[in-house]
This record gives sequence, C-alpha cells and structure tokens, in this order.
Amino acid sequence: GAGVSQSPSNKVTEKGKDVELRCDPISGHTALYWYRQSLGQGLEFLIYFQGNSAPDKSGLPSDRFSAERTGGSVSTLTIQRTQQEDSAVYLCASSPSGPGTGGDYGYTFGSGTRLTVV
Amino acid sequence: KQEVTQIPAALSVPEGENLVLNCSFTDSAIYNLQWFRQDPGKGLTSLLLIQSSQREQTSGRLNASLDKSSGRSTLYIAASQPGDSATYLCAARTSGTYKYIFGTGTRLKVLA
Repeated sequence: GAGVSQSPSNKVTEKGKDVELRCDPISGHTALYWYRQSLGQGLEFLIYFQGNSAPDKSGLPSDRFSAERTGGSVSTLTIQRTQQEDSAVYLCASSPSGPGTGGDYGYTFGSGTRLTVV
Repeated sequence: KQEVTQIPAALSVPEGENLVLNCSFTDSAIYNLQWFRQDPGKGLTSLLLIQSSQREQTSGRLNASLDKSSGRSTLYIAASQPGDSATYLCAARTSGTYKYIFGTGTRLKVLA
C-alpha cells in the first residue's frame, strides 16, 4: 500500500478483555516495529520483526503481550487480559530493510491505534 | 544506555520567526538520528534523517544538524507558519542496535 495502515484507529475495551491490533506495512518493507506511546511520555519500543528472522520481543512489557507477523507482511499485536495501564497509542512502523542488512532508511509510521481500557 | 532529551518541552512563537529545537543524546556512537513531526491524534511523519557521517540535512524550510562529539542535534525551522504547530520528536539509533530511542518531544505552537 501507499503507507503503513493500522486498524482499528480507536479501540475501547473493558478491563480483562483481549484485544488485537493490526498493522499492514508498506509493500516490500522487510522490517516492522511496534511502539507504544503513553500520555505525556515518549515512544516505548515493544517488538521488531526483520524478514523471516526470529523477532526481538525484548520490549514487550509482560507476557500478556504478544505479536506475530504472517508471511513477512501483516502484523498483529495481541494484548490479553487488558489492564488500565495498557491504555496508550500503539504505533507501527516499517522500513525497507533492517539495520545491518545494507541500509537504513529510517521509519515510516502508521497513524496508530488509540487503545482505551475502561 | 542511550537516553534522548528534548528541551524545551513546549514553545510558542509568533508567525514568521526562525526557531531552533534542541535534542541531546548520551551515547555519541549513533548510527543515525531522525526528526519526526506528530500532529494531535495522528501518527509520526518523518522530516529528516541524518546519518552519522553527515553534519546536516535540509528539506525546504527545515534544517537539521548533528554534532556527535557534543551529543546534540538541532532542528532549525525558518519563517515559521501556523501550520508548523505540532510536536517535534527526535530519535537516535545507536550503532550496533536497531531500535530508535525517542525523546519526549517539543510541542510547538506558532501564533498567527
């Protein structure tokens, strides 16, 4: 696609429910990143996918968080048993190639999913 | 551990003024640094990417500089306009890593 697409744009969920957030990167981009932006805070790294390599999950805050990337394209971030502190904007970014693969062209971000846990 | 700081947190200027936004980073071994713009309720838009071998990059009225030895980058906006009002974020990627570390941003308001 022309840009990074994220859905839904807004999600309100009850505490304890599971949610799935979707990211569709730019076609051909091999690197995909998830970040979280909480109110008044900077962006927090969550997870990184590069091609078919094992993802770097070191930023996931707890085992309630998981992510997958199917076919090297679309990615889904799943939060189980949501808590109020999970409320944030979840941003996805993609890049033509990951660092160490011969180039670094920076990130292109999607518009984010605003998650509110009530 | 790389830490990125942006000062000031907020800035208001009259239309037409030239202004400088500051970004500091603690680890000078950076691979590159990127400046973004974020409008309220929106995602991030990349403005400029400076590789570690470069000292500055320009795009239209924007100029970003990089001084690795002092751990600083600046974003210069010439002839500011109300449409420039947004939050500006800088992000540094340390050599040997693939994560960008973000500052908390400078919220700019350009008054008509």
